[in-house]
Amino acid sequence: QKEVEQNSGPLSVPEGAIASLNCTYSDRGSQSFFWYRQYSGKSPELIMFIYSNGDKEDGRFTAQLNKASQYVSLLIRDSQPSDSATYLCAVQPSGGYQKVTFGIGTKLQVIP
Amino acid sequence: GAVVSQHPSRVICKSGTSVKIECRSLDFQATTMFWYRQFPKQSLMLMATSNEGSKATYEQGVEKDKFLINHASLTLSTLTVTSAHPEDSSFYICSATRQGADTGELFFGEGSRLTVL
Repeated sequence: QKEVEQNSGPLSVPEGAIASLNCTYSDRGSQSFFWYRQYSGKSPELIMFIYSNGDKEDGRFTAQLNKASQYVSLLIRDSQPSDSATYLCAVQPSGGYQKVTFGIGTKLQVIP
Repeated sequence: GAVVSQHPSRVICKSGTSVKIECRSLDFQATTMFWYRQFPKQSLMLMATSNEGSKATYEQGVEKDKFLINHASLTLSTLTVTSAHPEDSSFYICSATRQGADTGELFFGEGSRLTVL
């Protein structure tokens, strides 16, 4: 069974620190990887996507992908209280780009 | 950015009644729309994949006769929960991919919270 695993948390970090969110996946042939942010009671919104091994930076966010280890992470620099949310890792399977599998999400709490 | 609108955002109904939820892509044509269900503190679970003009593809364990999906146009998909029961109470979220897009990015609706009494 295809799985995407995340630690549900909560992960607590002080304001201004770096938050590190991790995700592993079981389908070695997965092609694309997405990080979504979901505030309580709201729908997910896309933070970043990454396709290639290595790092991808966008503002305070950096996504890291290691396909050999089947590992993808999201780093949030200078964490703000407004970053407090659940972060969902989503993996797109091989053979197509339509259907994605979501992890359970990691709840991040940024302490002022 | 692409906008997906979902309506209603909240609905409360009596057990045994049917509820229809609409999902519209406002500024793009959606090749495919997806319906997810999310229970508290759980991840999004894909219920079905909906392609315009064809029958929806349901995930294992999802009753197609209970969760009716209609995708009549490239901008509208509807989910009807028939004969709803309290265990159907959940957060239902639709998402869409943009026609012609190279990425698998999903654009999510605002979600519909269903409470069945």
